[in-house]
Amino acid sequence: DSGVTQTPKHLITATGQRVTLRCSPRSGDLSVYWYQQSLDQGLQFLIQYYNGEERAKGNILERFSAQQFPDLHSELNLSSLELGDSALYFCASSAGLDSYEQYFGPGTRLTVT
Amino acid sequence: GQSLEQPSEVTAVEGAIVQINCTYQTSGFYGLSWYQQHDGGAPTFLSYNALDGLEETGRFSSFLSRSDSYGYLLLQELQMKDSASYFCASTGGFKTIFGAGTRLFVKA
Repeated sequence: DSGVTQTPKHLITATGQRVTLRCSPRSGDLSVYWYQQSLDQGLQFLIQYYNGEERAKGNILERFSAQQFPDLHSELNLSSLELGDSALYFCASSAGLDSYEQYFGPGTRLTVT
Repeated sequence: GQSLEQPSEVTAVEGAIVQINCTYQTSGFYGLSWYQQHDGGAPTFLSYNALDGLEETGRFSSFLSRSDSYGYLLLQELQMKDSASYFCASTGGFKTIFGAGTRLFVKA
């Protein structure tokens, strides 16, 4: 158990809909990262927050947005969902700004039908 | 562009040693991390190299050569439970770039 929690574990929704994925980092960690992993694919970095502020952006679609709240939990919002958005979404956290050692949550499996 | 190249699959026998290579082409390179991911599971951190040379953690070792933009993960005394995907990841500032992963099959 990494100490990172993600909810929900599974999510099934229809095209065009909007969903929110939630992540709580390890106790004391200030950085939160979001990744997308499609079937048999690597991890695509989406975005990083540090202590409430956006610090780095990867290949995140404009339909996707995220935020980190004062209590350091984070939410990833996915809107106008398409079939191709079906994937595993992982949240990870690290203690500080350095990203070399990240602790991953169990992931949320999103299925868009 | 920024990319990390790894072999897609490696097969080895239980008890043997296996090396998983990673070559990278990234800007603002800070260091190379390695993660393990079992099927259906989350990635778990294994090792990190910021400097050239070998880092040893139990049965796993990781190596980095900045001049060659190359690193590897060495797994010794392979066990069946080591069957998993292994990812190298480049950290450049705050952004993390992952390789596509190497699937390791350990045979009895």
